[in-house]
Amino acid sequence: GAVVSQHPSWVICKSGTSVKIECRSLDFQATTMFWYRQFPKQSLMLMATSNEGSKATYEQGVEKDKFLINHASLTLSTLTVTSAHPEDSSFYICSATSRTSGTYEQYFGPGTRLTVT
Amino acid sequence: GQNIDQPTEMTATEGAIVQINCTYQTSGFNGLFWYQQHAGEAPTFLSYNVLDGLEEKGRFSSFLSRSKGYSYLLLKELQMKDSASYLCAYRTNKLIFGTGTLLAVQP
Repeated sequence: GAVVSQHPSWVICKSGTSVKIECRSLDFQATTMFWYRQFPKQSLMLMATSNEGSKATYEQGVEKDKFLINHASLTLSTLTVTSAHPEDSSFYICSATSRTSGTYEQYFGPGTRLTVT
Repeated sequence: GQNIDQPTEMTATEGAIVQINCTYQTSGFNGLFWYQQHAGEAPTFLSYNVLDGLEEKGRFSSFLSRSKGYSYLLLKELQMKDSASYLCAYRTNKLIFGTGTLLAVQP
């Protein structure tokens, strides 16, 4: 149980275009979903936290107008990178916490590798 | 600030034991997690400590001392497949990750 999927697993886009990444909890209802970004050989950096039906909370330094997050349901959150630039190329990972998880464990998706050319 | 430190790299031999340390400083604390991450993949959960002491799970054990802001992950009977990055993270209302320790297991 507790599977999180992401789509697409990788994407290449041209500079100036927008890209949407989906994060789904497949077999549980996610109280909260988190979006992380990871550059090569670096750790995960939290970008934003989203709760179903409310606005996402962005970490300091993350532009909310550039990284649009929509948490439409208890099983789906989307991250849209608007007007992408090469410096946005990174590994984007979502995670979700279960309403029933007593350990507050976060279940991670497999990640989406974004390359902006 | 987000103060959490762990060694950048470690090397160990197949069949041996290795201990990866993690220190942290935080005013709010709701548990310490260890994750394993292979290159290009998402992290996978290894362990969770919220109380002081040792938690053992097969070849992996994790220890926590809240008063010292210290945790370690102990890997026994190392296998080549254990070569990966190991991330410690403490939880407040979110997870704060360390930079990860890249473990190389050599034959």
